[in-house]
Amino acid sequence: AQTVTQSQPEMSVQEAETVTLSCTYDTSESDYYLFWYKQPPSRQMILVIRQEAYKQQNATENRFSVNFQKAAKSFSLKISDSQLGDAAMYFCAYRSNFGNEKLTFGTGTRLTIIP
Amino acid sequence: DAEITQSPRHKITETGRQVTLACHQTWNHNNMFWYRQDLGHGLRLIHYSYGVQDTNKGEVSDGYSVSRSNTEDLPLTLESAASSQTSVYFCASSESAGTDTQYFGPGTRLTVL
Repeated sequence: AQTVTQSQPEMSVQEAETVTLSCTYDTSESDYYLFWYKQPPSRQMILVIRQEAYKQQNATENRFSVNFQKAAKSFSLKISDSQLGDAAMYFCAYRSNFGNEKLTFGTGTRLTIIP
Repeated sequence: DAEITQSPRHKITETGRQVTLACHQTWNHNNMFWYRQDLGHGLRLIHYSYGVQDTNKGEVSDGYSVSRSNTEDLPLTLESAASSQTSVYFCASSESAGTDTQYFGPGTRLTVL
């Protein structure tokens, strides 16, 4: 079974600075997807960014980018120019491209933005 | 705009009662999922469905059931609510196999006293 580990329960960053959230995963598969979801205090789960394992190029979405290291099974999220609205829980998630389409989530990292 | 909704947003019930949480999506997605969120566990899959009349158990399915009579709805039923089922419940949906993104509803906070 796949597992996803987020080893940083809490992180903080000064407004306008850059922060990196860590995620590692364990799988024996070669074809899969990885995601970062953001959960603000409203509880809504919002997709931030996704990465397809067969693509070597790291995904980017505006101020959000990932560092995908397939051999190391690492998938970190970098947030540049941090804004107050980035404060939230961030969840890393894995989805196999075989069998069912369920997401396997990490336990989350709470990000605080310091004004 | 297409969306996914859950009702109620908050629910308090007593141990032993049957509870049904509703999930409705207007994207016409074939796949629907129920997760529960607890501190220290992230989100865990309860049940999922790939289409009408199809249901499957997830990793924490004991004490829960679902039914899929149409594309838009996947209600989650707690047959006999237990205090261990106090949690936040999320419904999600995605298109047919091959699409990689699940979209989540706003969640239902359930308290079992």
